[in-house]
Amino acid sequence: GENVEQHPSTLSVQEGDSAVIKCTYSDSASNYFPWYKQELGKRPQLIIDIRSNVGEKKDQRIAVTLNKTAKHFSLHITETQPEDSAVYFCAANNQAGTALIFGKGTTLSVSS
Amino acid sequence: GAGVSQSPSNKVTEKGKDVELRCDPISGHTALYWYRQRLGQGLEFLIYFQGNSAPDKSGLPSDRFSAERTGESVSTLTIQRTQQEDSAVYLCASKGGVRAFFGQGTRLTVV
Repeated sequence: GENVEQHPSTLSVQEGDSAVIKCTYSDSASNYFPWYKQELGKRPQLIIDIRSNVGEKKDQRIAVTLNKTAKHFSLHITETQPEDSAVYFCAANNQAGTALIFGKGTTLSVSS
Repeated sequence: GAGVSQSPSNKVTEKGKDVELRCDPISGHTALYWYRQRLGQGLEFLIYFQGNSAPDKSGLPSDRFSAERTGESVSTLTIQRTQQEDSAVYLCASKGGVRAFFGQGTRLTVV
């Protein structure tokens, strides 16, 4: 089945710096890759997603890149702010399209 | 409502008791997932519904866990004979198109 690896598990940056979180997936049939942000005690919130027919997508300070050949995708946050501090999860759908398989999460801390 | 709603928000139960967790998906969303999130951990897939059928139950950890869904509406996750290792936040998500949106979860504590 699909397996998603996420790195790093923790990331500390200074306000204004960029942050990059990387994920790899195992199932070459995966074609949908969302990213969720989860603040402490809150629900996971979808922040950006990408389908396999594009290589990059950007939304203000957030961008996601996808390399289908290497089976990895990354989240890029520019000009980080303290409110970006949260746990970020990547995910990929399985071959049947019946499950989103999540990485183990990255705890991002942005200090001012 | 506008979002996915789960009830109860918190549930404390004694070991060995049965519990039922409820999920109200976003209106019109045909697909629905249940996930488990242990403290400080990732999201563990449990089951997927398309309409009222469950084509993927591969994540249910044991036969103590079951789920059902009425049409394209409410879903309930039932855990029988609860154990302490069942303590976790149980999250429901509904999907419209490809995007899945989560409820706030039910925090289950088994004492």
